[in-house]
Amino acid sequence: KAGVTQTPRYLIKTRGQQVTLSCSPISGHRSVSWYQQTPGQGLQFLFEYFSETQRNKGNFPGRFSGRQFSNSRSEMNVSTLELGDSALYLCASLGQGVYNEQFFGPGTRLTVL
Amino acid sequence: DQQVKQNSPSLSVQEGRISILNCDYTNSMFDYFLWYKKYPAEGPTFLISISSIKDKNEDGRFTVFLNKSAKHLSLHIVPSQPGDSAVYFCAASAINNAGNMLTFGGGTRLMVKP
Repeated sequence: KAGVTQTPRYLIKTRGQQVTLSCSPISGHRSVSWYQQTPGQGLQFLFEYFSETQRNKGNFPGRFSGRQFSNSRSEMNVSTLELGDSALYLCASLGQGVYNEQFFGPGTRLTVL
Repeated sequence: DQQVKQNSPSLSVQEGRISILNCDYTNSMFDYFLWYKKYPAEGPTFLISISSIKDKNEDGRFTVFLNKSAKHLSLHIVPSQPGDSAVYFCAASAINNAGNMLTFGGGTRLMVKP
């Protein structure tokens, strides 16, 4: 089975711009979660999508949004970028069972200048 | 408020010896715990997990212990190998009907010296 894929792997933007990141989960997985990793805050949960619906949301401002398509692929969008949004953005997919570990993609490294 | 804490930012161990990584949590609703290993510029890789109905789970060289009364878990790696050098994150979740989100600790950098 192919793993979780994320595109692009690297991205450079300037303050005020917006960005869209993409994630394709493992085939058959319907849940996709997004996390932000920064040196100061560690790994923080952004949101989770299941069957095209947001099922959980972390404590991030409304500039961070996401969506999921019928094929389970997910996108996250960050509008009005700030310097502090520079981070590694990780996507994880979760299997069908109740106690299943989440499998992570390689991440998208976003740099905001 | 950090609900999952890894109080040791780094740990250095000799090859062949035991590595013990610790994790504490505060939220009593957490009922599933996981350990991930992470290399720079890569996503975390799942290592081992344990549910709150158990106090120990083993997988090869990796064993996770859970002490619910102390809200403490630990990962034991025996024997440690240089390839184990990475950052290790513990994570916790509260399985509920609304889905699954992981709360991570800050990570511990393990260095295994040859």
